[in-house]
Amino acid sequence: EVQLVESGGGLVQPGRSLRLSCIGSGFTFGDYALNWVRQAPGKGLEWVGFIRGKPYGGTTEYAASVKGRVTISRDESKSIAYLQMNSLKIEDSGVYFCTRGRVILQGPYMDVWGKGTTVTVSS
Amino acid sequence: DIQMTQSPSSLSASVGDRVTITCRASQSIANYLNWYQQKPGKAPKLLIYGASSLQGGVPSRFSGTGSGTDFTLTFSSLQPEDFATYYCQQSFSTPWTFGQGTKVEIK
Repeated sequence: EVQLVESGGGLVQPGRSLRLSCIGSGFTFGDYALNWVRQAPGKGLEWVGFIRGKPYGGTTEYAASVKGRVTISRDESKSIAYLQMNSLKIEDSGVYFCTRGRVILQGPYMDVWGKGTTVTVSS
Repeated sequence: DIQMTQSPSSLSASVGDRVTITCRASQSIANYLNWYQQKPGKAPKLLIYGASSLQGGVPSRFSGTGSGTDFTLTFSSLQPEDFATYYCQQSFSTPWTFGQGTKVEIK
């Protein structure tokens, strides 16, 4: 079964750091992009960023709202992707989903989603 | 950034109804448009990619059309399990952006 499982969420004070993890299973992890998408309480979905798969150079792109404060990385040997978040703000609170990205003729899309991990930034 | 606007923001419908949700992009995105379904407390689920391609395992009562700036998601006959929030998302250029969501409720 293709699966993504996030972990690492929790309560953190503003200005501190947190690292989220996403473990993939059931597929060739390195061949796919991994995205992070977040959802503030009661709000819609916001794309945070992605890291491309190995065939595409493993490069990253980020949303402007987090650029400079977050880093997405991956460890192919462990089939894990990470979201390192620094200088956390209250508005970074929400559920963080890890998703698998596919790129085909019809364009990129996110076909597998983890269940999410909750981040609460509060003093 | 490309802005995605869905309409309506919410709707009430009955089981068996034909329902259409609209998504408009602030600039042309060709057919790089995806639709997701989210139920309360759950992760979103991919329904349609590339504007009109049905994801495997998704019932054929869901369909998507459109290209350029205007897109629609249609339920041919609404079922009880379809009551949820639906999001469109463009993958034409980063930052990828979502519509604000359309909540489909039971009438």
